[in-house]
Amino acid sequence: DAGVTQSPTHLIKTRGQHVTLRCSPISGHKSVSWYQQVLGQGPQFIFQYYEKEERGRGNFPDRFSARQFPNYSSELNVNALLLGDSALYLCASSFGWLQSNQPQHFGDGTRLSIL
Amino acid sequence: AQSVAQPEDQVNVAEGNPLTVKCTYSVSGNPYLFWYVQYPNRGLQFLLKYITGDNLVKGSYGFEAEFNKSQTSFHLKKPSALVSDSALYFCAVRDMVSYSGAGSYQLTFGKGTKLSVIP
Repeated sequence: DAGVTQSPTHLIKTRGQHVTLRCSPISGHKSVSWYQQVLGQGPQFIFQYYEKEERGRGNFPDRFSARQFPNYSSELNVNALLLGDSALYLCASSFGWLQSNQPQHFGDGTRLSIL
Repeated sequence: AQSVAQPEDQVNVAEGNPLTVKCTYSVSGNPYLFWYVQYPNRGLQFLLKYITGDNLVKGSYGFEAEFNKSQTSFHLKKPSALVSDSALYFCAVRDMVSYSGAGSYQLTFGKGTKLSVIP
């Protein structure tokens, strides 16, 4: 079975632009979460979606938005990019709503560089 | 909010020796704890989890972790290190996120520990 797939793998943007990152969860998984990993730090939670509804949001500005589609894939959008948005963006999927003891399974991420 | 701390930025160990990567936690209630590994230019791979039950949890690739409630620790261990174990290791705790009254769960990660296994 395919794991979590993310696209693109690398992206270079300039300040002020916007970006869309994409994620396909493991087949059968209905929950998708997004994390931002700045170099030298652990991942930080941005959003969780379950059954196409936003179920959780981390401490990120409104420039960050996301959505989940009927096939459970997801997009993360970031507007008005800042230099500080340079990071590895990770998508993780799980079957349920991270309620019990289900581990999240991560993709390889999208490396976003802002010039 | 729940949190985890990884006190060591880097751990060096000789191949064949036992390894330990340390993690302490701060939670209210029962902790749900996880270990993940990250290889260069890759995402995170799940190693093991502690929910409840035995204090010694066995995971993937020969790793295990010891949950110690009195010391609020969840250290990752392996009896004999391999060069291929060299990677970045993250401890994480399940944390509640209040949202629209319903709430959700997220993972809160430590800053990571770089493990280098020397041949």
